[in-house]
Amino acid sequence: AQSVTQPDIHITVSEGASLELRCNYSYGATPYLFWYVQSPGQGLQLLLKYFSGDTLVQGIKGFEAEFKRSQSSFNLRKPSVHWSDAAEYFCAVAPQDSWGKLQFGAGTQVVVTP
Amino acid sequence: GAGVSQSPSNKVTEKGKDVELRCDPISGHTALYWYRQSLGQGLEFLIYFQGNSAPDKSGLPSDRFSAERTGGSVSTLTIQRTQQEDSAVYLCASRKTSGGPYNEQFFGPGTRLTVL
Repeated sequence: AQSVTQPDIHITVSEGASLELRCNYSYGATPYLFWYVQSPGQGLQLLLKYFSGDTLVQGIKGFEAEFKRSQSSFNLRKPSVHWSDAAEYFCAVAPQDSWGKLQFGAGTQVVVTP
Repeated sequence: GAGVSQSPSNKVTEKGKDVELRCDPISGHTALYWYRQSLGQGLEFLIYFQGNSAPDKSGLPSDRFSAERTGGSVSTLTIQRTQQEDSAVYLCASRKTSGGPYNEQFFGPGTRLTVL
């Protein structure tokens, strides 16, 4: 069955430390891949997306993600976390024939400590 | 320009009542999506509209759910005979489809539905 897995429900990180959020997918063909962020009281905002080409993708707010076909993974990283990065992060995929219908992972809640 | 707007922002209703949720997409965006975010199910796709084509209703959880999009713009999601399990945040997103595959979906702030 097609699925998107975010193994970590909750991550706590110190301000200034690095952050990596994991995402794995299971699809017949490589889907289009996205990371969204949802801050408290805010709507979903796109951080970055991958369709093809360079497997290291740069996004907004200093985030990047790396696509690894062999591992069916699309992990999100940030070298140095700011307190404002506390939010819930969702990995999402859209199969190439799905007309953009997103399937979301369960989300990872990120808490940033001083 | 204006983003995706949704109304009402909050809706409390009694079990068995019908509710209507409204979405105003970004002007010029021909694709419109409804999603639901609930504690038990996470974020899930409900329905997709593209221009004047027949909508993709494959994500609707039951026949109590329906949606329409008038004039290729505003959309209304209707839930009939609401149940407590319908309590969730209903999100609308829109996207322009010209110019390349998978342009960004812009999400509205959502409508929080509580069924008592």
